[in-house]
Amino acid sequence: EPEVTQTPSHQVTQMGQEVILRCVPISNHLYFYWYRQILGQKVEFLVSFYNNEISEKSEIFDDQFSVERPDGSNFTLKIRSTKLEDSAMYFCASARVASSTDTQYFGPGTRLTVL
Amino acid sequence: GNSVTQMEGPVTLSEEAFLTINCTYTATGYPSLFWYVQYPGEGLQLLLKATKADDKGSNKGFEATYRKETTSFHLEKGSVQVSDSAVYFCALSSGSARQLTFGSGTQLTVLP
Repeated sequence: EPEVTQTPSHQVTQMGQEVILRCVPISNHLYFYWYRQILGQKVEFLVSFYNNEISEKSEIFDDQFSVERPDGSNFTLKIRSTKLEDSAMYFCASARVASSTDTQYFGPGTRLTVL
Repeated sequence: GNSVTQMEGPVTLSEEAFLTINCTYTATGYPSLFWYVQYPGEGLQLLLKATKADDKGSNKGFEATYRKETTSFHLEKGSVQVSDSAVYFCALSSGSARQLTFGSGTQLTVLP
């Protein structure tokens, strides 16, 4: 069964460093998402991406964040200058169509630890 | 805005016990409702969903009915197993806001 994959599974970085989190969505899916879950808190929406541009973004997704689909298969989340409060589990998701009724399929997540 | 309120955990049950995890929501328009499950060390997996009022989603013995009148989508299972131990998330997606809004998650532990 096709699945969303994410790398790395765990990333440790120093405050102020740039990190890139990578995702490979399901191949025939067109809609892509990033969510994050700070330890002990809710899963929060960050951004959605469709047709090579950001579709929607939350208040969390400020100028230090960016997303890209560089090669038609990977979908990346870049954090330019990490802060301690960016420590969280980051989940990538993809969906076949742009509909609120469609299922979003999640990857296993990348645990980001900022020291 | 959209919000999901989920039963506080953790919940601990004996094997073969009946499970209910409450979920209520606030949303604009007509949301689709989802239950996702996260097993230890894994990502979020869709457990079941319902896209309109009175629909019942079901999977692996779990059920949830979309109740518009009470804005609820409670998860139930008649007889839980040790392998059901996981964190369960209620979520909704509504209209043009295709992103999922999640509840806080409920940790379920089933003891043999």
